[in-house]
Amino acid sequence: GAVVSQHPSWVICKSGTSVKIECRSLDFQATTMFWYRQFPKQSLMLMATSNEGSKATYEQGVEKDKFLINHASLTLSTLTVTSAHPEDSSFYICSARGDAGGSGNTIYFGEGSWLTVV
Amino acid sequence: QKEVEQDPGPLSVPEGAIVSLNCTYSNSAFQYFMWYRQYSRKGPELLMYTYSSGNKEDGRFTAQVDKSSKYISLFIRDSQPSDSATYLCAMKGSNYKLTFGKGTLLTVNP
Repeated sequence: GAVVSQHPSWVICKSGTSVKIECRSLDFQATTMFWYRQFPKQSLMLMATSNEGSKATYEQGVEKDKFLINHASLTLSTLTVTSAHPEDSSFYICSARGDAGGSGNTIYFGEGSWLTVV
Repeated sequence: QKEVEQDPGPLSVPEGAIVSLNCTYSNSAFQYFMWYRQYSRKGPELLMYTYSSGNKEDGRFTAQVDKSSKYISLFIRDSQPSDSATYLCAMKGSNYKLTFGKGTLLTVNP
């Protein structure tokens, strides 16, 4: 099946610094990528939807200046958490939808990235 | 009322049991229904994907959709300890935005 890779899997950063998380579709072109946040024992909360070459669409309550999303190519989207604070510590997961074709209606998830802000 | 309701459990069964996981939904626009399995500290893994009402089988897994009742189920036959995970139902309309249930934590005891 399709593979979505996320990097890094784990990251610890100091409060006030920025951290970037990458999401790559390895064997298909992802026209749309989604970024989620998941707190322990909670479901996934959609943060934003990004389409290649255009600005991301953020969900209500998500600060676009804090969570910068770039989808520069059909295989790569990045999430940058700027000026991170301990409350930003969470599990961040990306997912990707393929272009029209076999994987067009299927959404695949990355392995997730654990962010701890100290 | 939340768009997708899923009993969070936890659900504990003996090895070999048949497991039934369910979700209800309220949005008639949902057309596609998925079940994901999520192991602790990992990303969700797609298990089943269905579009129409009815049953879809894949190995030990059967997904069932009843659009008239707005009810979906996942059955796991001959459950194994390796099936222990959180199972998330998810659904979407035509805009590719997934709406998730809270997830059900399943433990299969050897």
